[in-house]
Amino acid sequence: KQEVTQIPAALSVPEGENLVLNCSFTDSAIYNLQWFRQDPGKGLTSLLLIQSSQREQTSGRLNASLDKSSGRSTLYIAASQPGDSATYLCAVIIALNAGNNRKLIWGLGTSLAVNP
Amino acid sequence: DGGITQSPKYLFRKEGQNVTLSCEQNLNHDAMYWYRQDPGQGLRLIYYSQIVNDFQKGDIAEGYSVSREKKESFPLTVTSAQKNPTAFYLCASSRQLSNYGYTFGSGTRLTVV
Repeated sequence: KQEVTQIPAALSVPEGENLVLNCSFTDSAIYNLQWFRQDPGKGLTSLLLIQSSQREQTSGRLNASLDKSSGRSTLYIAASQPGDSATYLCAVIIALNAGNNRKLIWGLGTSLAVNP
Repeated sequence: DGGITQSPKYLFRKEGQNVTLSCEQNLNHDAMYWYRQDPGQGLRLIYYSQIVNDFQKGDIAEGYSVSREKKESFPLTVTSAQKNPTAFYLCASSRQLSNYGYTFGSGTRLTVV
């Protein structure tokens, strides 16, 4: 059974720090891995999608890596800002059944606070 | 801009009442999903639909029903059989095979009063 774990559960840093959020999964048979951001009481915003054949993706100050063999992904945030404060969720995309259906398996998220 | 629209943002349900949450997308995505989010738990899949007029139960379908009469719309009804409906509900969509990832709406917070 696929399980996704995110460490740490909460993180508080001063503005300007570079930081790393971790996501691990127990089964390497994944199609993709997607990182999301969620602000309090809001929906999910997609940050980065990494295909299973890729090693990393970058968008602005964000860089996500994927190591399928070790079951790990990291989200690197450079020069953090107070506006980065949110919960960051990691989800792996796996086969739902023998057909073409897919399913997201979620971690519980890392709650990030960036202090001015 | 393309996206997913969920309405209402807040919804209050009385005991024994059915309520319907709306989800509309203009992304031309084939697949649509409903998730439930509770504090301290990961998102859980309620129902999903890969094509019009077809939908499948997810992990926690009991007490919920859906329809998919149009590609753009995937409404979720929370029935009186759902004993603990207070939660944050998220609708999502994706292209077939999900190689392009998932797009989520802004959510509906349902509270039982």
